[in-house]
Order: sequence, then C-alpha cells, then structure tokens
Amino acid sequence: SQTIHQWPATLVQPVGSPLSLECTVEGTSNPNLYWYRQAAGRGLQLLFYSVGIGQISSEVPQNLSASRPQDRQFILSSKKLLLSDSGFYLCAWGRDNIWTGELFFGEGSRLTVL
Amino acid sequence: AQTVTQSQPEMSVQEAETVTLSCTYDTSENNYYLFWYKQPPSRQMILVIRQEAYKQQNATENRFSVNFQKAAKSFSLKISDSQLGDTAMYFCAFMGSNDYKLSFGAGTTVTVRA
Repeated sequence: SQTIHQWPATLVQPVGSPLSLECTVEGTSNPNLYWYRQAAGRGLQLLFYSVGIGQISSEVPQNLSASRPQDRQFILSSKKLLLSDSGFYLCAWGRDNIWTGELFFGEGSRLTVL
Repeated sequence: AQTVTQSQPEMSVQEAETVTLSCTYDTSENNYYLFWYKQPPSRQMILVIRQEAYKQQNATENRFSVNFQKAAKSFSLKISDSQLGDTAMYFCAFMGSNDYKLSFGAGTTVTVRA
C-alpha cells in the first residue's frame, strides 16, 4: 500500500532562519507531488507541484522553494524565513498513471516563525 | 486562475440530521472535475466525493451526495444521517480537465452534535 510521510510535524523557527520540510511517498512510482499551505479562513493555497524529478512548478512567488531530488521525495525550503511563512504545510501526492485528481495528503507540518 | 468559494465558514447539525454545504466556482472551461475533501480534527485530509463536469448525474457515496448545477457553477455537498465522525472541515476543490493541480475553497467546519 502507498504511504506518505512528512516531517517534522511541528517546527518553531526564528525569523531569518532557514527551513527544510521533507516529504516522502512509498509504495508507488512517479507520483505527482504537491506542497500546500493551509491558513485559517483561507483554505489551501497551492505552493508548488511536480510531475517528475527536477520538474517544479511554482504557483505563488515568495521566499520559499521546492526541490524533488528523487522520484518520491519532495522538499520545501527557505533560506530566510519571514513571519508570514507561519502556517500549516501539507504535502500530497497523486497517481500519475491513473490521474483522477484524487490527492493523498500527509499529516502536515505546523511551522511557527517567531 | 479558477476561484472556489465556500460561503459558510461554520455549520452545526444534530446527529442523524442532514446538512448541506455550498460551493460555487468560477471557470471558463467546459470540462473539469469537482471534489469534496474532508479534514477531520488532527487527521489527514481524504477525498469524500468526485464529480466530472460532463456527467449530468450527481455523484453519490453512501451518505454523501452532491447537487451539481453546471450552469450556475454550483456544487453543494449533502451529508445525510449525520454521524459524530462527520465532524471535520470540508473543502470544495476544482481541477481543469488538462490540469494537474487542484484549487481549493476556504473550507467549512462542520460540527455534528450528539
């Protein structure tokens, strides 16, 4: 069966510090991968998505970046965090070979920037 | 970019009763997909129901059904015989037919009262 893991689950970082959130999918190959940010009252905002290794599409210009160094690994990074980067980050994957639009979400990572 | 609007931030329903969540969207496409996702408290988000725009018949999954009104660009979710386990945040989502990304609404928090 397929599983998705993202870590860390909770992170408290000072303004200006770097960020690295990791997401790994198991049990499938060539998944579509996504990073969303969930803010209260604003729903889910798509940050990045990837349909293959090294292929990253950015949806919102900001100080975040994403990378896909391996087929089933998706990393969200920042060189210098801002207060506005605080939020709940969700990684998700979708089946590329049978694309129905169904996304499978991770447990989420709550980031607090102080 | 497509816009998905959920105008009800919170709803409360008595156990065994029915509740309807509203969702409207804006698109110029003729073919697309619509979804309702459920995010229980402290648990992973999961797909509840999916509707293809080219299908006139409304989708149904057990106690969950939708009312899809294409001309009005409306996609409501009805939860029948509400159960305590239905307590969650519900997100409406849109995807274009040739797209890999989903656009989500702001969400509706549903609380089922015993």
